[in-house]
Amino acid sequence: DGGITQSPKYLFRKEGQNVTLSCEQNLNHDAMYWYRQDPGQGLRLIYYSQIVNDFQKGDIAEGYSVSREKKESFPLTVTSAQKNPTAFYLCASSRGVDQPQHFGDGTRLSIL
Amino acid sequence: AQSVTQLDSQVPVFEEAPVELRCNYSSSVSVYLFWYVQYPNQGLQLLLKYLSGSTLVESINGFEAEFNKSQTSFHLRKPSVHISDTAEYFCAVSGGATNKLIFGTGTLLAVQP
Repeated sequence: DGGITQSPKYLFRKEGQNVTLSCEQNLNHDAMYWYRQDPGQGLRLIYYSQIVNDFQKGDIAEGYSVSREKKESFPLTVTSAQKNPTAFYLCASSRGVDQPQHFGDGTRLSIL
Repeated sequence: AQSVTQLDSQVPVFEEAPVELRCNYSSSVSVYLFWYVQYPNQGLQLLLKYLSGSTLVESINGFEAEFNKSQTSFHLRKPSVHISDTAEYFCAVSGGATNKLIFGTGTLLAVQP
């Protein structure tokens, strides 16, 4: 079955450490997205990519970085510059403009 | 700029009762509208969408939503809810070249026996 796989499901970060969240899709979608979800705030866009080797900042990109070297993969790195990284992170993909986004099951990041 | 407002953070309802989850949006361009459902510790699942055409859209599990351009609303309704409908529901709007989704803050539907 086609879908989006996020790993790991739970992740713990130490102070000053960078961590990378994985997102892989086999839907052959061109566009991929990363969102952050905090209680009572809905979802906020971190980064998105509409094509391989290109990506754009979303609304809350500071302290995060991404890469899009392959169509199937869009990893998110939470850097030590992100001072409040504890959240639920969701990856999504879509065929393109005006098409619905499909979501993975998320990664919950916590600080040790 | 686009925005989405979900007025109710939580809606308690008894099983088999009808429910309406409210969603209002603002946008200066033509929009696409979506409802997503999220069960605990899971990602979002698309419930239904309005892209064009008929203003009344339906899902396979009995939910429906009506696009009302004059009232800039896209309320979600179900005539009879089940315990299994307990989840958080997000309204979202997109438009323009980037297909960036703007989400509301979500409504927790709590179905009680």
